[in-house]
Amino acid sequence: AQSVTQLGSHVSVSEGALVLLRCNYSSSVPPYLFWYVQYPNQGLQLLLKYTSAATLVKGINGFEAEFKKSETSFHLTKPSAHMSDAAEYFCAVSNQAGTALIFGKGTTLSVSS
Amino acid sequence: DAGVTQSPTHLIKTRGQQVTLRCSPKSGHDTVSWYQQALGQGPQFIFQYYEEEERQRGNFPDRFSGHQFPNYSSELNVNALLLGDSALYLCASSWGGTSGRNEQFFGPGTRLTVL
Repeated sequence: AQSVTQLGSHVSVSEGALVLLRCNYSSSVPPYLFWYVQYPNQGLQLLLKYTSAATLVKGINGFEAEFKKSETSFHLTKPSAHMSDAAEYFCAVSNQAGTALIFGKGTTLSVSS
Repeated sequence: DAGVTQSPTHLIKTRGQQVTLRCSPKSGHDTVSWYQQALGQGPQFIFQYYEEEERQRGNFPDRFSGHQFPNYSSELNVNALLLGDSALYLCASSWGGTSGRNEQFFGPGTRLTVL
């Protein structure tokens, strides 16, 4: 069975600081991995996805993530946080891009000025 | 491109009632998946419809059922509502069913409150 663990339910950073949101996965097959962002009272927006091509994936809004098979990790980073990055972030895994997504519990990112 | 649309936005029901939620997929998409997101939790997969049939199902009771129409839109029905069914219900669309290779696009959700 596939699963996702997001370490840290709440991360706080200062504006301009590095953002690091952690995600570890468990999968018996080569995984497809995703990061989604959710702003208050809205649906989910895809930030980036890993589908077995390049291990370093670049997404929207300056975010990127690196797939590390040896560590079963897919951590999300952004070099410089902006106030508008404050939101809920979800890591998800599936065995194909179009099949059921298994989500982590989410990490709330707060950005202070 | 209107993206994925859902209706209604909010809904209040009482225990034991039945509810129907609706979803229109993004233009060009033929697959609809439904997720339940309880407060403070990540979304949980309910089921996926492709070619008007349920193709995948998560760990949800039979009280949760769905339908897909020839125009690819979908409905989620929940019978005998429980307090625990209160959640944000998200619809996601994609292309190609379980063999599809593109990502799922999510709608804004329907907030269901059961009193």
